[in-house]
Amino acid sequence: ETGVTQTPRHLVMGMTNKKSLKCEQHLGHNAMYWYKQSAKKPLELMFVYNFKEQTENNSVPSRFSPECPNSSHLFLHLHTLQPEDSALYLCASSQGTSGRREQFFGPGTRLTVL
Amino acid sequence: GQQLNQSPQSMFIQEGEDVSMNCTSSSIFNTWLWYKQDPGEGPVLLIALYKAGELTSNGRLTAQFGITRKDSFLNISASIPSDVGIYFCAGQVGAGNNRKLIWGLGTSLAVNP
Repeated sequence: ETGVTQTPRHLVMGMTNKKSLKCEQHLGHNAMYWYKQSAKKPLELMFVYNFKEQTENNSVPSRFSPECPNSSHLFLHLHTLQPEDSALYLCASSQGTSGRREQFFGPGTRLTVL
Repeated sequence: GQQLNQSPQSMFIQEGEDVSMNCTSSSIFNTWLWYKQDPGEGPVLLIALYKAGELTSNGRLTAQFGITRKDSFLNISASIPSDVGIYFCAGQVGAGNNRKLIWGLGTSLAVNP
């Protein structure tokens, strides 16, 4: 059982659609992360939030827009995506971003862009 | 940029066999993490290593932080069917809020009952 939940688990969208991914952590952590996992590539860190403030944006295209209303919730808003954006999007949380702060992952959202 | 070489890419073994996989890099890391990912799920942390030379066990799993701080290995003893999955190493660099995780490509493990 994971303390990090993600919805939806699967999403199929067209390139002109707007959708949002949701992540919620029940671990009392202060930091949350969005990762992209594609076949044959290392896990790619997209965004980091620490105490609701965005602390990292790894040159992610603006068609991905994160939102962190509080330390327990994280969203990824999607707009005008491309087929190459199809991937597993993983959310993670940790107790802060420094020190021995192991990250705990959610089950991911499998995104397919048609 | 920093890269991790994780090997082997895949393994197919018989139940009961021992398994070994490793990650190497030309960069120095201050932490090594080993995760397992089951199909349709996110990675789950197995073992965390914080000091060069550290050897840590978690049940049938044993991992070590290389003395040079550039490598780590994970061993699984007496494999069972539920060990099937993809195993990832991740090395941490940097300090404070600038810490980053560098990920390997994973080792896919299949176990024949």
